Amino acid sequence: EDQVTQSPEALRLQEGESSSLNCSYTVSGLRGLFWYRQDPGKGPEFLFTLYSAGEEKEKERLKATLTKKESFLHITAPKPEDSATYLCAVQRVTGGGNKLTFGTGTQLKVEL
Amino acid sequence: DTEVTQTPKHLVMGMTNKKSLKCEQHMGHRAMYWYKQKAKKPPELMFVYSYEKLSINESVPSRFSPECPNSSLLNLHLHALQPEDSALYLCASSQRASGGGGTGELFFGEGSRLTVL
Repeated sequence: EDQVTQSPEALRLQEGESSSLNCSYTVSGLRGLFWYRQDPGKGPEFLFTLYSAGEEKEKERLKATLTKKESFLHITAPKPEDSATYLCAVQRVTGGGNKLTFGTGTQLKVEL
Repeated sequence: DTEVTQTPKHLVMGMTNKKSLKCEQHMGHRAMYWYKQKAKKPPELMFVYSYEKLSINESVPSRFSPECPNSSLLNLHLHALQPEDSALYLCASSQRASGGGGTGELFFGEGSRLTVL
C-alpha cells in the first residue's frame, strides 16, 4: 500500500526565516510526486510535479526537490502570505488508475 | 480565481433530504473527480470520471451518486446522508485520467461545505 508521511505536522516561522518541509513516501513505482498548497476552507492549489530523483522545481520562494525516498519543499525568506497547509501526494505507475495518495500535510504559519 | 466552479458553497441538509452538488470546468479537461475532506485530514478520493465514464469508485456508499452529464459538468447526488458525511466536498479536474503526464496535476474547486443534521 502506498504511504506518504509529512513532517512536521505544524511549523511556525518568523518572516524571512527559511526552512524545509519533508515528505517521505513508499510507493511501488513512482509516476509522480506532487505538492499542493491549501488555504483554510479552500481547495488545494497545485504547485509542483516531480518525476525522478534529482529533479528540482522552483516557484517564487518555494523550491521542491526529490530523492528516491523523500521530497523536500524549501521555503526561502517566507512571508505571511505563504501561511497555508502544504500537501504532498504520490501517484504510482500502474494499477492505481489516477488515484493520488495524499499525506496529512504540514500546516505552516509565517509571522511578522 | 479557480477555473473549477462548485455550487453551492454551503449546504445544510437533513438525513431524509435529497440534494445535489454541482461542478463545472471549462479548461477542456477530460477527467473529473470528487474528493471528500474532513477537518485537518487530507482529501480522500471518492470517484473519478474519465471521458465522461466512471473509472474509479472508491467503495463509496450508494447514498452518494455521481453523474457526469458532459465533459464540463460533474454532479454529486446526495440522499439519506448521515451526520458523519458532513465534510468539505471537493471537485477537481485534470487533462486526462491515464496515459502519462498531466494526470496528477489536479485543479480543485473551492469546495462545497456540507452539514448533515
